[in-house]
Amino acid sequence: GQNIDQPTEMTATEGAIVQINCTYQTSGFNGLFWYQQHAGEAPTFLSYNVLDGLEEKGRFSSFLSRSKGYSYLLLKELQMKDSASYLCAVVDSNYQLIWGAGTKLIIKP
Amino acid sequence: ETGVTQTPRHLVMGMTNKKSLKCEQHLGHNAMYWYKQSAKKPLELMFVYSLEERVENNSVPSRFSPECPNSSHLFLHLHTLQPEDSALYLCASSQEQGYGGTEAFFGQGTRLTVV
Repeated sequence: GQNIDQPTEMTATEGAIVQINCTYQTSGFNGLFWYQQHAGEAPTFLSYNVLDGLEEKGRFSSFLSRSKGYSYLLLKELQMKDSASYLCAVVDSNYQLIWGAGTKLIIKP
Repeated sequence: ETGVTQTPRHLVMGMTNKKSLKCEQHLGHNAMYWYKQSAKKPLELMFVYSLEERVENNSVPSRFSPECPNSSHLFLHLHTLQPEDSALYLCASSQEQGYGGTEAFFGQGTRLTVV
């Protein structure tokens, strides 16, 4: 079967750095998305990786290793507004999205 | 504002009621989706429409009935629901059906409670 694993919850301190991991086992691979979802809000697009390596976008970076079936989202200089759930999703061989259950990130002052 | 609007934001309904969820997108996208989001579970794809035609129905019970009258509007008709159907129902759209590098845009969802 197809499976996406990410931690259920993480806690970090304002101003610090946090890394949210995502491992996947899917039938084929055509890219990986990260979305941010604040409580009661719509998921919003953060990043898309299809090639190995690190993609940096301001305070957020996303890394992909296709050979390891692994990605991470790196958040730097954490702010209170970064408290949210972070969803990992993989595009499989049929170009369908397989979603992880999301990681709830709690930022403490 | 993501360009995808869902109404209502919250809905409480009895098991014998009939209600409808509405989704509207102003992005000119060709594909629209209904997802179910339950606590601590992955998003579950329910229905996919591409150019107003249903292209996928992921074994969803018949008490959920989608309707896509045009490429900008999507409805989810609900009847005789069960308490386990309580969840956040998200609508999304994308430029084309399939996710080859183009992201989906989500509405804020309808929080449904079945009593």
